Amino acid sequence: GAGVSQSPSNKVTEKGKDVELRCDPISGHTALYWYRQSLGQGLEFLIYFQGNSAPDKSGLPSDRFSAERTGGSVSTLTIQRTQQEDSAVYLCASSSRTGSNQPQHFGDGTRLSIL
Amino acid sequence: GDSVTQMEGPVTLSEEAFLTINCTYTATGYPSLFWYVQYPGEGLQLLLKATKADDKGSNKGFEATYRKETTSFHLEKGSVQVSDSAVYFCALSDPGAQKLVFGQGTRLTINP
Repeated sequence: GAGVSQSPSNKVTEKGKDVELRCDPISGHTALYWYRQSLGQGLEFLIYFQGNSAPDKSGLPSDRFSAERTGGSVSTLTIQRTQQEDSAVYLCASSSRTGSNQPQHFGDGTRLSIL
Repeated sequence: GDSVTQMEGPVTLSEEAFLTINCTYTATGYPSLFWYVQYPGEGLQLLLKATKADDKGSNKGFEATYRKETTSFHLEKGSVQVSDSAVYFCALSDPGAQKLVFGQGTRLTINP
């Protein structure tokens, strides 16, 4: 199957802890995106990678959020000192190349619950 | 900034009914337009897309036409099935921006 793979599928943690969410894009896809889906805010863009660099980080909600991508492949989204408002489904997507007309292929997401 | 407005849900129809889900957008550039679908328990999937004015995207019996004059991209299907029950998202991507901007989603339920 070679779809976008995200792990873990579910994560429950206590307020104040740090969490790491992982995304494996489709092999060969150079562009990678993180979004957040929550009841109150809908689907929101967080950050976009082209290769290992992030030209657009405009959606990261605070400096507690960071992301990196290594080897032009796997990406990790890290949330430090988690808050209850961070509870959401975090979605990763990839596309074969950049361009506004390129479809993005989504993973099944990581459901994050902050107690 | 860019935005997408979708028809308020939830929408409930009987099998074989005609479906329209309205979508309008505001964009600074000349965007590409998409419909994504999220079936129960599954991830977001691309349903169809259109990249320029008057383009019609189609897939699985669904259609949507890029209307620049009315800034709309309404989703239609002539005869819905129970298996079409899902949440539908309209989205745009502005040239140079890369990211998708989504509408709030419309939950569709089809009853047999």
